[in-house]
Amino acid sequence: KQEVTQIPAALSVPEGENLVLNCSFTDSAIYNLQWFRQDPGKGLTSLLLIQSSQREQTSGRLNASLDKSSGRSTLYIAASQPGDSATYLCAVRPRWQGAQKLVFGQGTRLTINP
Amino acid sequence: DAMVIQNPRYQVTQFGKPVTLSCSQTLNHNVMYWYQQKSSQAPKLLFHYYDKDFNNEADTPDNFQSRRPNTSFCFLDIRSPGLGDAAMYLCATSRDILTSGSSGEQFFGPGTRLTVL
Repeated sequence: KQEVTQIPAALSVPEGENLVLNCSFTDSAIYNLQWFRQDPGKGLTSLLLIQSSQREQTSGRLNASLDKSSGRSTLYIAASQPGDSATYLCAVRPRWQGAQKLVFGQGTRLTINP
Repeated sequence: DAMVIQNPRYQVTQFGKPVTLSCSQTLNHNVMYWYQQKSSQAPKLLFHYYDKDFNNEADTPDNFQSRRPNTSFCFLDIRSPGLGDAAMYLCATSRDILTSGSSGEQFFGPGTRLTVL
């Protein structure tokens, strides 16, 4: 059974720092991995999607990497801003657990201090 | 802009009084999902539709039902809401991952916050 873990559960850093959020998964048989952002009381916003054949994806100040063999993904945020404060969730789409479903991590709550 | 829309954004109901949440999409995706999310937890999948085929999760209570009258709309019915059903309900869509050229990216609506009194 696929399991996704995000550590740490919460992270607080000063504005301007570069930071890395971690995501690990137990089964490398995935179609893709998706990073989401969730603001309090809101829905999920898709940030980046990495296909299983890809190593990384970039969007603006965000860069996500995928190492399928080790079951790890990282989300790198450059030059962090207070507006980046949110909960970040990663999710994998497993090949064997129902191809249409996502398995989510518990999220990392990020606070950027001005 | 193509998007996933949920109505209402906030819903208050009484204990035991049936409630219906709605979701519509302009993405023309063939898969639609309903999730329940409680505070500080990851979204929990309740069920999904693959076209007209309904797929229930094994641990979804019978109290939760869904309808998909056409490609664009999907409804979540809670037949007899209990206090434990108070949560954010999220609708999401994606194109079939097995369709050639599909990334399988999942897109979420803004959610409906359900309060049960």
